[in-house]
Amino acid sequence: AQSVTQLDSQVPVFEEAPVELRCNYSSSVSVYLFWYVQYPNQGLQLLLKYLSGSTLVKGINGFEAEFNKSQTSFHLRKPSVHISDTAEYFCAVTNGFTGGGNKLTFGTGTQLKVEL
Amino acid sequence: DVKVTQSSRYLVKRTGEKVFLECVQDMDHENMFWYRQDPGLGLRLIYFSYDVKMKEKGDIPEGYSVSREKKERFSLILESASTNQTSMYLCASSLAGISSGNTIYFGEGSWLTVV
Repeated sequence: AQSVTQLDSQVPVFEEAPVELRCNYSSSVSVYLFWYVQYPNQGLQLLLKYLSGSTLVKGINGFEAEFNKSQTSFHLRKPSVHISDTAEYFCAVTNGFTGGGNKLTFGTGTQLKVEL
Repeated sequence: DVKVTQSSRYLVKRTGEKVFLECVQDMDHENMFWYRQDPGLGLRLIYFSYDVKMKEKGDIPEGYSVSREKKERFSLILESASTNQTSMYLCASSLAGISSGNTIYFGEGSWLTVV
């Protein structure tokens, strides 16, 4: 079975400061990892994904994440946040062996609040 | 652009009613999903379908059923709505094989309140 832990339910940060949103996973096989963002009253939008290759993955809106197999982590970072980054962020994992649908397992989410 | 459309954004239903949540995607995706989103619990998979008339239970299927008669449409059915099914419901779709790099696309969600 696979699972995802997002330890921080809320992260407040000032505008133009750096931010890191933490994600740890558990799986007995190889994993594929994703970060999604949800703006208020909207569905989820893919930020970035790790499938294989380079462990540093760059996504949209200046976000990046690093896959660390030894620490089973996939933390999301941005060097300088903007007020428009205020949203909820979800980490998700699939091992690709869960049947024809390749379903994703999501974490509980981290609410990023950017303040002026 | 991929579009996943959920027909109702906001619904209020009474306990015991049969409720249908409809979802349509316009990109010929094989996979379709229904998730439930609750504060502090994240997204939990209710059911998914990888082909017409095919369905598999997710993590919390109890109290729900689904129907996929056409490739583009995936319906979530609450046979007898209860107050603990008050939630945000998200539909999603993707091409087969997420691990091959195919993205899951989400609709905007349906807020269901059961009174």
